[in-house]
Amino acid sequence: NAGVTQTPKFRVLKTGQSMTLLCAQDMNHEYMYWYRQDPGMGLRLIHYSVGEGTTAKGEVPDGYNVSRLKKQNFLLGLESAAPSQTSVYFCASNLGLHEQYFGPGTRLTVT
Amino acid sequence: SQQGEEDPQALSIQEGENATMNCSYKTSINNLQWYRQNSGRGLVHLILIRSNEREKHSGRLRVTLDTSKKSSSLLITASRAADTASYFCATVGWGGSNYKLTFGKGTLLTVNP
Repeated sequence: NAGVTQTPKFRVLKTGQSMTLLCAQDMNHEYMYWYRQDPGMGLRLIHYSVGEGTTAKGEVPDGYNVSRLKKQNFLLGLESAAPSQTSVYFCASNLGLHEQYFGPGTRLTVT
Repeated sequence: SQQGEEDPQALSIQEGENATMNCSYKTSINNLQWYRQNSGRGLVHLILIRSNEREKHSGRLRVTLDTSKKSSSLLITASRAADTASYFCATVGWGGSNYKLTFGKGTLLTVNP
C-alpha cells in the first residue's frame, strides 16, 4: 500500500495564480483532512471530509476550496494565491477516532 | 485556536538519557495522540491514549494522561540520535468535533550522539 500520497511535492506560485493540490489514499478511509503547517506552529486544519461527496470547514478555511468526488481523493484548491498561503500543506486520512495517516507534504511558496 | 500546548518548546539531551515532553489542553477530550515529525517529513503516529486511560506504553515510549489537570506527558527512555524530531500532541474532542485533531505547537527534541 502506498498509504497517503500528495501531488505535487513542491510548487512556486505568483500572487493571484491558482492551483490544485491532490491527495490520494489507498486505505479505504472515510475521513480525509487538509492541514497547513507554518514555522513554529503545529498543524492547523483547513478543511476536512467525512465521506465521499462531503466537505466541511476547519479552523483556517478562508482562501481555500476542497472537493471529494471519489472516496480515495481529496483535492485542495487555491483560487487566487496570496503570500500568506506560503506554507507546507499536509493531507491525512483515518477511520474517525483513530490515528491519522499523513502524506509527505507539499511545500508551496507564493511570491 | 490551538488546543494543546507542549512544554518545553525545545529539548536537547545526550544519547541514552530520557526525554520528557508535556502537553496541556483546554477542553474535554475523547483521546489524545502523540505524533513525531522528522525534519521535512510528514507526521507519524506514535501512540493514542483514551480519556479513560491513565498510562500507556509502546516500546520505549510511555504516555500518561491526567484528565483532571488536562495534561499529558510523553517519556522516551534510552534516547537515540534517531529520536531527534519534533513531537506534537493532538486532541480529539467529543460530539461534533469527535474526528478532528487539534494540534499543539510541538517540542523539538535533539538527541546528541
